Amino acid sequence: DTEVTQTPKHLVMGMTNKKSLKCEQHMGHRAMYWYKQKAKKPPELMFVYSYEKLSINESVPSRFSPECPNSSLLNLHLHALQPEDSALYLCASSLRVPDTQYFGPGTRLTVL
Amino acid sequence: QQQVKQSPQSLIVQKGGISIINCAYENTAFDYFPWYQQFPGKGPALLIAIRPDVSEKKEGRFTISFNKSAKQFSLHIMDSQPGDSATYFCAAYHSGSRLTFGEGTQLTVNP
Repeated sequence: DTEVTQTPKHLVMGMTNKKSLKCEQHMGHRAMYWYKQKAKKPPELMFVYSYEKLSINESVPSRFSPECPNSSLLNLHLHALQPEDSALYLCASSLRVPDTQYFGPGTRLTVL
Repeated sequence: QQQVKQSPQSLIVQKGGISIINCAYENTAFDYFPWYQQFPGKGPALLIAIRPDVSEKKEGRFTISFNKSAKQFSLHIMDSQPGDSATYFCAAYHSGSRLTFGEGTQLTVNP
């Protein structure tokens, strides 16, 4: 099973809202990633968790706050986002860092 | 040195034809080269991958050709089908790096 699941599929939020994205994998992977993808562009790395510890933060604004409660779960907390943050947010996992990454279906985020 | 250059940006092929997408890299430390296929509104799906110790890898209609001396690799899709219409990303990494993506190729296969 190489499935990474993400919820919700779609999210519309105002600039003052607080929301969270959720990612789950049950492949025993110990590395999990958040990416942001704009239309017609490759995914851009935001955060990497390795063994439930944040190992890479690609200078992402503090309005994005990641959390890894356990080895199977990854959250991305959103607060006070801007319209330019509208994008497809992808979660990925791999056995370790680095290794083959498996992506989830993404959450389509629209910030009004 | 972390760049992966991908071409063409878009490609239109007739059904049954061969689709060819090319990538080039500079960093000789890269040692793993995956290709991802992405349909609109979906996440990238791993299609096929190769390590530089082999020159070719085939899985069904998909073949990666790898030229280590030229620092180039390419994806060939044989007997292209309309269902292959998607965006394809080449990528590369090594033990100390992040996954580096090419800019993507939007493939359209006409029926």
